[in-house]
Amino acid sequence: NAGVTQTPKFQVLKTGQSMTLQCAQDMNHNSMYWYRQDPGMGLRLIYYSASEGTTDKGEVPNGYNVSRLNKREFSLRLESAAPSQTSVYFCASSEGAGPQRGYTFGSGTRLTVV
Amino acid sequence: GNSVTQMEGPVTLSEEAFLTINCTYTATGYPSLFWYVQYPGEGLQLLLKATKADDKGSNKGFEATYRKETTSFHLEKGSVQVSDSAVYFCATGPGSARQLTFGSGTQLTVLP
Repeated sequence: NAGVTQTPKFQVLKTGQSMTLQCAQDMNHNSMYWYRQDPGMGLRLIYYSASEGTTDKGEVPNGYNVSRLNKREFSLRLESAAPSQTSVYFCASSEGAGPQRGYTFGSGTRLTVV
Repeated sequence: GNSVTQMEGPVTLSEEAFLTINCTYTATGYPSLFWYVQYPGEGLQLLLKATKADDKGSNKGFEATYRKETTSFHLEKGSVQVSDSAVYFCATGPGSARQLTFGSGTQLTVLP
């Protein structure tokens, strides 16, 4: 089915390790987003990309980097993982340069940092 | 910036009961309003939306009306089912922002 695909679905890292979360969409959407979900805090925006070649910081960007590789793919990198980055990470995409019509979400990556 | 305040959960109802989940927002510009649903172990799915004042969004028996005068977008369903058990998120945006802002989510459990 068309949509947003995230890999991996689960990951355990040791403190200080690095990893990249992958996200790809096949709906020809312009905008892509990375959120983290923590209990009682809803979703918080990490980074977003309004179009290919552009990225902007969201609410909680510290400790993360992103790459908009092409129109389809938007990756999130943790250079030196910390226990505070234990969370569920969601990638989303939207038509146009913004989410006027809402987001389509991936199924998430559950990351544990020990 | 934009913000969303949702009714705190968890909410537990019996099957066929009436559901209301309250949501109020603050936003600049002319935002759209959304309800998303998240089933266990899954990502968020768009449930319904409204793009301007007095619009009513509806889907799968759920409804919500965009009330600009009270800055609210309360989710309602006349008769819930066990399969409606999930976490519900209210969201607003973009307005003058460039992304959606989400509430903290409300856990709904429906008992048979």
